[in-house]
Amino acid sequence: GENVEQHPSTLSVQEGDSAVIKCTYSDSASNYFPWYKQELGKRPQLIIDIRSNVGEKKDQRIAVTLNKTAKHFSLHITETQPEDSAVYFCAASITGSGNTGKLIFGQGTTLQVKP
Amino acid sequence: KAGVTQTPRYLIKTRGQQVTLSCSPISGHRSVSWYQQTPGQGLQFLFEYFSETQRNKGNFPGRFSGRQFSNSRSEMNVSTLELGDSALYLCASSSTGDGRTQYFGPGTRLTVL
Repeated sequence: GENVEQHPSTLSVQEGDSAVIKCTYSDSASNYFPWYKQELGKRPQLIIDIRSNVGEKKDQRIAVTLNKTAKHFSLHITETQPEDSAVYFCAASITGSGNTGKLIFGQGTTLQVKP
Repeated sequence: KAGVTQTPRYLIKTRGQQVTLSCSPISGHRSVSWYQQTPGQGLQFLFEYFSETQRNKGNFPGRFSGRQFSNSRSEMNVSTLELGDSALYLCASSSTGDGRTQYFGPGTRLTVL
């Protein structure tokens, strides 16, 4: 069935360093890949997303890369700051007719940025 | 625009009872998806509604049901509550309704005693 594997489960970096979180999906029909950030006690917030017709997308310090052949995508955060500390979730979806509103999530990565 | 809202924010019930949770999507959004979040299972898809119709359903027992009203507000109901139903229930709304760009509400924390 549909599955998204996310690694690592925890990640600790020094402020200013880069952080990379990797996800692998099982269904080759997946074509939409969002990343969410969830701070403690808060709702998941969409931070960046990528569609399968694009290999890379950047938004300031955040970038996502997608390798459709290998069925994996990654989140890259550069120049990390303490406020980046949170749980990050990757997700995959098959958009289009018959596949609606369903995101398959990875298990999450707890990122700790040490000052 | 106001974000997605959910009520109530916290709920305590006992086994065997039933519960109804409410979700108001972002104005203009017609798709509402529901998710269950637990420490052990993570975020799992429950179902999705669009224009008052359930279009997609996850792998949850029939005790979990939902509906959507003409103003796009959605409710989910869990009957015969079990201890394992304790979780954060999140709804998300989308304007496209095809699984993209979902915005989450703050969630309802359900505790079953």
